[in-house]
Amino acid sequence: GNSVTQMEGPVTLSEEAFLTINCTYTATGYPSLFWYVQYPGEGLQLLLKATKADDKGSNKGFEATYRKETTSFHLEKGSVQVSDSAVYFCALSRKSGGGADGLTFGKGTHLIIQP
Amino acid sequence: DAGVTQSPTHLIKTRGQQVTLRCSPKSGHDTVSWYQQALGQGPQFIFQYYEEEERQRGNFPDRFSGHQFPNYSSELNVNALLLGDSALYLCASSLGGYNEQFFGPGTRLTVL
Repeated sequence: GNSVTQMEGPVTLSEEAFLTINCTYTATGYPSLFWYVQYPGEGLQLLLKATKADDKGSNKGFEATYRKETTSFHLEKGSVQVSDSAVYFCALSRKSGGGADGLTFGKGTHLIIQP
Repeated sequence: DAGVTQSPTHLIKTRGQQVTLRCSPKSGHDTVSWYQQALGQGPQFIFQYYEEEERQRGNFPDRFSGHQFPNYSSELNVNALLLGDSALYLCASSLGGYNEQFFGPGTRLTVL
């Protein structure tokens, strides 16, 4: 079956530090890959996505590249801010039968940015 | 555009009771998926509705059932509630074959 593994948290960084959150996946076929962010007390928001190998998703300074050879989709940001503190989820979805499968999520990585 | 909306925001039930949660998809979307998020965990896929039929189901017992209406809104029903059903229930909507899903704020269910 499909699965997503992401680094355990919490991850604590100082403001303006470089961020990497690792994500690897197992799936048949060619899944689409996503990063979602969940701020305290809120639902999930799509941060970025990539739908095929070597695609780079980017948004709000965050980037992730779909690496099929290493089955990875690591999230990076060059300079984090206190406002980036949240829980980040890596997820995948396959397209089948004309529709899209339900998302398979990792367990989430809690990011804490200290001023 | 109101985005995905869910009701109620919070709900408290006792073991053995039944509960119904509601979701209205983002305007223009025709597919609704439901997820269960236990505290400190990632969301787990329950099922997906498209054209008023259950299109795909995750690893959840038959106590979990759903419905989609002609206006694409959806309900999640859980029968014979267990303490372990306490969680945040998230609804997500998408458009047909596109797999980008937009999430609502969730319903927090507490089972006592």
